[in-house]
Amino acid sequence: EAQVTQNPRYLITVTGKKLTVTCSQNMNHEYMSWYRQDPGLGLRQIYYSMNVEVTDKGDVPEGYKVSRKEKRNFPLILESPSPNQTSLYFCASSPQTGSDEAFFGQGTRLTVV
Amino acid sequence: GQNIDQPTEMTATEGAIVQINCTYQTSGFNGLFWYQQHAGEAPTFLSYNVLDGLEEKGRFSSFLSRSKGYSYLLLKELQMKDSASYLCAVGSGSARQLTFGSGTQLTVLP
Repeated sequence: EAQVTQNPRYLITVTGKKLTVTCSQNMNHEYMSWYRQDPGLGLRQIYYSMNVEVTDKGDVPEGYKVSRKEKRNFPLILESPSPNQTSLYFCASSPQTGSDEAFFGQGTRLTVV
Repeated sequence: GQNIDQPTEMTATEGAIVQINCTYQTSGFNGLFWYQQHAGEAPTFLSYNVLDGLEEKGRFSSFLSRSKGYSYLLLKELQMKDSASYLCAVGSGSARQLTFGSGTQLTVLP
């Protein structure tokens, strides 16, 4: 089954404790991205990747890192989480560009206390 | 940058027709998408317009006017399961990034 898989689905952590949210897709898509979704603000792009070893900042990259060592995986890293990073995070993949139909993961609800 | 506006909330009755509008300002337009998102779930693709005009897909239709920076999503024969947030998104730029509006929460009443 074609899908985008994120883990974990729910995470509560403390300020400053490094964490990684994993994202994997099995559709051989070139384009992958991370979004955060906050009430009243909609989905905002954090980082995106157009292919292996090619990543770039989205609209809200501060406090986040990503890597794209393999085509299928695109982990999101929070080196020192802060409470303002409490949010719902979605990973998405598209066949070639950000303007293709995006397939979203199930979401990760992160709470930083 | 991009600016995308859509109403925050709408209410309609089961069996009725509802139109959700979206206006946008962007440079390097690559296409306009509509996504549906049920509470607590991931967004799912509904439609894509890159040329002016109406695209019909079952009970859902989407319209685009590039000169006016305007799109709408038309939902016919509303069902209770259509209660969801509807996200307008614009593709733009050399990296063809997708920028989302804040979403329109549609409530379908019996």
